[in-house]
Amino acid sequence: GIQVEQSPPDLILQEGANSTLRCNFSDSVNNLQWFHQNPWGQLINLFYIPSGTKQNGRLSATTVATERYSLLYISSSQTTDSGVYFCAVGRIRDDKIIFGKGTRLHILP
Amino acid sequence: GAGVSQTPSNKVTEKGKYVELRCDPISGHTALYWYRQSLGQGPEFLIYFQGTGAADDSGLPNDRFFAVRPEGSVSTLKIQRTERGDSAVYLCASSLTGHEQYFGPGTRLTVT
Repeated sequence: GIQVEQSPPDLILQEGANSTLRCNFSDSVNNLQWFHQNPWGQLINLFYIPSGTKQNGRLSATTVATERYSLLYISSSQTTDSGVYFCAVGRIRDDKIIFGKGTRLHILP
Repeated sequence: GAGVSQTPSNKVTEKGKYVELRCDPISGHTALYWYRQSLGQGPEFLIYFQGTGAADDSGLPNDRFFAVRPEGSVSTLKIQRTERGDSAVYLCASSLTGHEQYFGPGTRLTVT
């Protein structure tokens, strides 16, 4: 099956810093989402981005489908950005979504 | 409108018992997914419904697990003869076919 690898696995930053999270996948996809899982376990949609670039406030994401990777950028980090960030992809030939293992982000005040 | 809801939020059961977990998707969403998340891991796909039918149940770990969606809306995940290894957070998501998924808050299942 498709492999989804996220890096780094853990990231500790000072408030105000910028960060880049990466997601590599091993097959062609027609669905890619970034989620933030908050400390209460709720998965919050950040981006639906099977290709191209999107921005939402301090967050932006880019997916280069032909090279099988996606990047999530967080600028001017705040303590509320802490949590686990997941990349999830869906292959062209089926509809199930496969998650990576996540990047655990901890923003220090 | 309302998001995806799941009940109960927490369930504690004894080993060997039967449990049912319920998911109410976003109104109008034709696709519904069940996932299981263990501590420190990403959600693991279990089963996907398109309408009333299970389009892909390849993630169900064994025949103790079964899910239904009889009217194409609410879904129930059923676990027979629960084992301690079934303890996890069970997540449900819904979507319009081929579009982004929206997740519910999950049901935390603890098997003692």
